[in-house]
This record gives sequence, structure tokens and C-alpha cells, in this order.
Amino acid sequence: EAQVTQNPRYLITVTGKKLTVTCSQNMNHEYMSWYRQDPGLGLRQIYYSMNVEVTDKGDVPEGYKVSRKEKRNFPLILESPSPNQTSLYFCASSSLGQPEAFFGQGTRLTVV
Amino acid sequence: GQNIDQPTEMTATEGAIVQINCTYQTSGFNGLFWYQQHAGEAPTFLSYNVLDGLEEKGRFSSFLSRSKGYSYLLLKELQMKDSASYLCAVREGNYGQNFVFGPGTRLSVLP
Repeated sequence: EAQVTQNPRYLITVTGKKLTVTCSQNMNHEYMSWYRQDPGLGLRQIYYSMNVEVTDKGDVPEGYKVSRKEKRNFPLILESPSPNQTSLYFCASSSLGQPEAFFGQGTRLTVV
Repeated sequence: GQNIDQPTEMTATEGAIVQINCTYQTSGFNGLFWYQQHAGEAPTFLSYNVLDGLEEKGRFSSFLSRSKGYSYLLLKELQMKDSASYLCAVREGNYGQNFVFGPGTRLSVLP
């Protein structure tokens, strides 16, 4: 089954404790991206990657890092989480040959 | 810059027709998308327009006018399960790699 898988689905952590949210897709998509979704603000892009070892900042990259060492994986790293990074996070993948983006199930992160 | 506007909330009755509008201002336009999102769940793809005109998929239709920077999503024969947020998104960039999302329209379908 074609899918984008994020882990964990829910996470509560403390300020300053490094964390990684994983994202994996099995569709051989070139393009992957991370979004955060906050009430009233919609989905905002954090980082995106056009292919292995090619990443770039989106609209709200501060406080986040990403890596793309393999085509299928695109982890989101918060080196020192802060409460303003409490949000619902989505990973998405797409291909130049298909118009739409496929989304993971979401990760609800709370930083206290 | 990028700017996508949609109404924040709409209410309609079961069995009725509702039109959700979206206006946008972006650079490097490479397609307009509509996604449905139920609360706390992932967005799911509904429709896609890259050329002007109407695209129909069952109960859902989407229209695009590139010259006006305008699109709408038309939902017919509304069902209770259509209560969700509807996200308008523009794909842009030289390789069409960036999706810029509007704030979403929360639709409530009443019996």
C-alpha cells in the first residue's frame, strides 16, 4: 500500500530536549516536505527536499533541521524544542509525475 | 510573495450545494489543489486544476481562472461526512515542488 508513515503520532517533551520525528514513504517520490499546522494559520512549510542530499528552507524553518540521506526518509529534527513549537506536524511526499501530495498521519507535539 | 484567501467558516444543509471560494496571488503558478481535512487527520487530495475551467469528480467539482487568481470547490448533494476543513493550495516553483496552503475553510453540514 502506498503511504507516508510518520512516527511518533503523539509526543510530549520538555523544553531543550532534542527530538526527531521520522517520515518514510514507499512511493519512490523525489519530493518530500514538512509542514506545521496551527489554528487559524493553516499548513506552513518548514523544510522541503527535492531529492537525496538536496534540502531547502520553507516559510518557517527556524528551530528545525532536516536531512535526506535516503530517498525514502526525511526526518525532522528539533535540536532544542521550545513551547512555541507545540503544533501538529505533517510530512508529505510527491512526484513530478503526479500532481498531488500524499500526507502522513500527523505528529502532535507538545513542548512543556 | 504568496497570499491565499478562503472564507474561515461555512454552514450548509444536508443535500444542498455549497461553493467554497479561493483567491490567490503567487509567483510561478504550477497548479491549484483542493484538499479535505477532517479534524486531527491528514489532508486528503480532492482535485487539481492547472488549466482554466471546470474539473468534475463525482459530487465534487473545482474551477480555476488563472487570470483572476480565483478558484472554487463545488460540493453537491452534501452529506454529513462532508463536514471538514477544505484547503486550497497552490503549487509553485520551477519544478512545481512547493505547495502553499490557504488557511482552510471549515464546513459544517447540518441535518
